[in-house]
Amino acid sequence: DIVMTQSPESLALSLGERATINCKSSQSVLYTSNYKNYLAWYRQKPGQPPKLLIYWASTRAFGVPDRFSGSGSGTDFTLTISSLQAEDAAVYYCQQYYTTPWTFGQGTKVEIK
Amino acid sequence: QVQLVQSGAELRKPGASVKVSCKTSGYTFTYYTISWVRQAPGQGLEWMGFISPYNGDTNYTQGLKDRFSMTTDTSTNTAYMELRSLRSDDTAIYYCAREAGSGSYYPLDYWGQGTLVTVSS
Repeated sequence: DIVMTQSPESLALSLGERATINCKSSQSVLYTSNYKNYLAWYRQKPGQPPKLLIYWASTRAFGVPDRFSGSGSGTDFTLTISSLQAEDAAVYYCQQYYTTPWTFGQGTKVEIK
Repeated sequence: QVQLVQSGAELRKPGASVKVSCKTSGYTFTYYTISWVRQAPGQGLEWMGFISPYNGDTNYTQGLKDRFSMTTDTSTNTAYMELRSLRSDDTAIYYCAREAGSGSYYPLDYWGQGTLVTVSS
């Protein structure tokens, strides 16, 4: 199974600050035939299901604000929130869908100071 | 609009079985696979498997394969999951989610609201 490891486990930032979350996969999730990284990011607020934010490592899902961006390739990926808003307090997960079993990172909790 | 609406919370004793439904609407049911993902209290997300409503093909995570099954009913656009021989560590919120495309692997773009399954004697 591909192991997804996120860092940090949690971070506390002020409104308007930049948040950076890292995700590392135990093997590459880059499919060389189409040069796509099979990596997604989700946000989960308390009491809600996860919401898809980013897929193919850097493509924003429909309706996701442009303060969210994804980058990286192969085994190392980053989710950046350029200017933290109150509604961004949540747990963020990366997920690989390169091969089954699909696997998630352990989550990164973002808190607002 | 796309919606996935799950059945209500369940309480079961250890050793029993549970079946959760996921009624979909707003899209062509047979075009996209449905995954099941669970989340134990205070824990992360665990993908359990997916099913294709088009042909019934399934893909299960190895650790649950013997106790877990997925089915679909194309007449009602509903997906089902059943978990047998329940243990206390099966206590979790169970989510259904739609895969965002077909023909390859895609992320999960629409999710049900979740169903809490509690296993307790």
